[in-house]
Parts: sequence; C-alpha cells; structure tokens
Amino acid sequence: DTAVSQTPKYLVTQMGNDKSIKCEQNLGHDTMYWYKQDSKKFLKIMFSYNNKELIINETVPNRFSPKSPDKAHLNLHINSLELGDSAVYFCASSVRGGAWQETQYFGPGTRLLVL
Amino acid sequence: AQSVSQHNHHVILSEAASLELGCNYSYGGTVNLFWYVQYPGQHLQLLLKYFSGDPLVKGIKGFEAEFIKSKFSFNLRKPSVQWSDTAEYFCAVGRYMNSGYSTLTFGKGTMLLVSP
Repeated sequence: DTAVSQTPKYLVTQMGNDKSIKCEQNLGHDTMYWYKQDSKKFLKIMFSYNNKELIINETVPNRFSPKSPDKAHLNLHINSLELGDSAVYFCASSVRGGAWQETQYFGPGTRLLVL
Repeated sequence: AQSVSQHNHHVILSEAASLELGCNYSYGGTVNLFWYVQYPGQHLQLLLKYFSGDPLVKGIKGFEAEFIKSKFSFNLRKPSVQWSDTAEYFCAVGRYMNSGYSTLTFGKGTMLLVSP
C-alpha cells in the first residue's frame, strides 16, 4: 500500500510550458504539504493545506498554484516553467497540521527537469 | 535568522566505523526534532523523532539521537555503519507558525558514503 503517492515520477518539459504534479494520500490525514528539493538537496516548504484550506504559503512565485479538491489530494500546477524550477518536488501529509507532536510522511518525489 | 544547521555536507566512512552527524537549530521555545533519511533515488523516510521525555531516542536500523537542550543540538549516531547506510540524512525541526499550524524546517542534509 502506498501511503503518499505522486504522479508523474519524472517530468521533462520545455521552458514556458505549464505542467501539473498530482499527490494523493490514503492515510486519512487532514494536512498535506509540497516541498521543493533543489540541486543542492536543500528541502524547503512551499505550501500546506489543511482540509482543503491553504495554511502555509512560503513566498512561492504566483506561477505555482496548489489545488486541493479534497483532503486526500493536493495537486501542484506550475505556469510558464523556468529553468530554476528544475528540482525534485515532494508531497507530504500529516494527521493535522496544527497538532503537536506529529510526523510528516513523504511521497516518492517528482523529478522535474526544465530544458 | 532562525535555521537548522547540519555541520557536515559530506561524510565518508568505512564499514563498521562509528557515525555521528551533527545538527543544531536556532529556534527558541519548544520544538519537535526529526531525522529523515533519503536513500539514493528514494523518498524521505523517518529515522527517528524526539517530542519529549528521554532525550536519547532510538530509531530504526540501529540509529539513535540525543537531544541536548542547552546546546540546541540533536546529533544522530550509529555505533557501526553498514554499506547500506549510504544515503542523505536530513535533520528537521517542527515548530509552530504564526498561523497556528506547525511545519518542518530542514537542514541542508549530510551525504553519507560508506565504503565496503
């Protein structure tokens, strides 16, 4: 059973294109996250949704738009892709983003390469 | 600025050597502490975590970490590493945001290479 899944696993595209990455969790968690891991392996939070409501937005460019159709899904749409968007994007989930003493569970990552 | 610092970017050890990876954070107040591991080509997996209680926590695969509050540190240790421990190790601090929700802040990671 895959707890947190992401599609696609790899994404290669041209500059200027628009692309989406999907994330689903079957853990029954209320909160989901998107992280970006750059070429130097630095992991940084981008967004967090709690039960479909945006709760964290860490100064990410407007070209990135998360969408949460329900609490089990958090998709990431990226407009006008730039070279600097090349990275590994990780989705994660936790029981409740506001709960103390909780663990985040990560998906396998989506490797995005912008040419 | 508040941050999570991992002292070593790369560590190279021979099998059976002992391991200690340093992690320091600069947040005040109560925090939760985590070590995650990322094996080559795989996703992040939780190694261990500290929430409260005994500052020496044991995780999977023989790893342990010690929380020293006075030093704002949470160093990861393993007495004898194996080739299969080759991976990237991330320290992370869980803290509350102004919004009332909690989030994780990661260190920049330490790449451990274990030679057979």
